[in-house]
Amino acid sequence: EVQLVQSGPEVRQPGESLKISCQGSGYSFSTNWIVWVRQMPGKGLEWIGIIFPGDSDTRYSPSFPGQVTISADKSINTAYLQWSSLEASDTAMYYCARSPFGSTADYWGQGTLVTVSS
Amino acid sequence: FMLTQPHSVSESPGKTVTISCTGSSGNMANNYVQWYQVRPGSAPTTVIYEDNQRPSGVPDRFSGSVDSSSNSASLTISGLKTEDEAEYYCQSYRSGNPWVFGGGTKLTVL
Repeated sequence: EVQLVQSGPEVRQPGESLKISCQGSGYSFSTNWIVWVRQMPGKGLEWIGIIFPGDSDTRYSPSFPGQVTISADKSINTAYLQWSSLEASDTAMYYCARSPFGSTADYWGQGTLVTVSS
Repeated sequence: FMLTQPHSVSESPGKTVTISCTGSSGNMANNYVQWYQVRPGSAPTTVIYEDNQRPSGVPDRFSGSVDSSSNSASLTISGLKTEDEAEYYCQSYRSGNPWVFGGGTKLTVL
């Protein structure tokens, strides 16, 4: 059974750093893209970026210039989304999903709620 | 490139509803369209991929199509159930470009 399990909710202050995770199981993690999607409170889905764990090929949305870093450790089937300096506007639910060909998501993680508040 | 969806639609249980997704440029038929369901408080699930394919476990009440003449894609849900009440997002991808999501359509089943 394909599963994507994300790390738990986080509360941080503005300016702090954060790294959330997404662990895949039940499939070949290295040969499937992982996509990250943001949903701000009351808003729609936004594509952040995508990574191919096999060679760490990574693409980012121009809507998130330099704000986040996507990485993966294929040895432990885990992808990451990280911030070096959070802002209040980063408060959102973040989802990871498997993307077999890099163009569509089929299985989704349960989401990680990130709250940034002073 | 943008995808435009109606903000909301509503229909009665047992009826059929169609949600549209219109591309701002180009030809929708040249790129696959996906549809995702987001129930309140839940993670997205994929209900249609590659225009009209249903993942295993998605009932055949859900169907997708693309109309080149109107440059739009559609998600049709027949035999509506209260459990279908959710937000539905279309998504498309052009090689070398970021994924694009529609703004989402809130489906109310009443």
